[in-house]
Formats: sequence, structure tokens, C-alpha cells
Amino acid sequence: DAKTTQPNSMESNEEEPVHLPCNHSTISGTDYIHWYRQLPSQGPEYVIHGLTSNVNNRMASLAIAEDRKSSTLILHRATLRDAAVYYCILRDTSGTSYGKLTFGQGTILTVHP
Amino acid sequence: GAVVSQHPSRVICKSGTSVKIECRSLDFQATTMFWYRQFPKKSLMLMATSNEGSKATYEQGVEKDKFLINHASLTLSTLTVTSAHPEDSSFYICSADVPGAGAYNEQFFGPGTRLTVL
Repeated sequence: DAKTTQPNSMESNEEEPVHLPCNHSTISGTDYIHWYRQLPSQGPEYVIHGLTSNVNNRMASLAIAEDRKSSTLILHRATLRDAAVYYCILRDTSGTSYGKLTFGQGTILTVHP
Repeated sequence: GAVVSQHPSRVICKSGTSVKIECRSLDFQATTMFWYRQFPKKSLMLMATSNEGSKATYEQGVEKDKFLINHASLTLSTLTVTSAHPEDSSFYICSADVPGAGAYNEQFFGPGTRLTVL
């Protein structure tokens, strides 16, 4: 399974932008880049995903490097409710690992008031 | 977005008993559901892929006789922890894909079930 590397933790102040990096140097051409977040004692929540082009939705933006070996999740204005563990995951769309999500350790985001 | 529910949200049982956890897709039909386990302060670990009408596919190291998975309908998958022991205490989470989208779109997760085995 292609793996991702994320910082263990990051901190931000409320209403400031947050850039969460993810390295995935072994990404294959059929892997989609997914981001999920998880609050304590809750199931993960989908944030955003993309393949090659940058993506925007109501929650966040995803910036994907041209060589696809890294990506950045951007929260434009952090709120206290954005404090969570953020997981960057490569989702295989072919082969024996089709469809599986392999969670790494993620980044613990702390948002200060 | 699609909604996935789990029942119960938490369960406490005695060692040696079996516990069944249900995972339902509320507003869509899910041919494939996934079961994860999460220990405190750890990440999610995929246990198995549940396929409607066929046998589940278990990840390496997961005991299929210990964790029985049944996906009898397009909206329900169950995980039964048989002869539970304290080391099985964990947070169990299910997820599902919206049919037709497959692996190209997001996966929807249930709220999780906290199992405590005394």
C-alpha cells in the first residue's frame, strides 16, 4: 500500500488559515488523494479528495503538487470545531487494494481561541 | 451526504460472551462495507471488507472465526465479536461506499461502537 507522511501535530489560531502537509512519494497513477478528519470518539468525516488538479469544496481546499508526490489541505479560516486528527490517505482505484483506505497516524490539529 | 449508522453506540459485556454490532446505510444501498478497529490514541486499522451476498475479505492477521461478518442485505452489515476478551475492547467503526462511485469517491463512516469487555 502506498504510504503517506504527515506531521504529528500542528497548531493554529482561530480564524487563521491552516496548511496541513502530506507527503506521498510512492503514489501511483491510480491513487486518489483523500483527506478525512476525526473528532474524539467519533467516526472519521470526509473532507476532500482529488487526483491531479486542485480541488475546492465548502470545507477546504486541496492543493496537489504537479508531480503528485505531496499535497496540502488548506482550511481557509480555522474554527475551534476544526480541531481534530486529519488523515491524508491514498485510495487505490485498481489492483488488489482496490477501494481500501489505509489510515496512517494523521496530524493532530489544535486550534487556539 | 450519505448516512451510515451503527448500533449500539457502546456496549459492555462479560468476558466469553459474544457481541453483535450493526452497521446500516440509511439512505443508500451499499454493496460494500468496511469494518475498522481503533485502539485508544491509535489510528484506524482495517479489519475486513464486507460484500453483500458473499463472504467477507479479512485483512492479514484478523481472525475470521473471531470476528464474524455478515452482509445479508444492501443496507446492513453486522460484526459479531465471538467469545470476547478484554483485549477485544476497542472502538469499532464501519464505513460504506455509495454504489456506482466505487473507490473514486468518498467513503462514509458510521459513528463507531465502543466495546468494553470486562
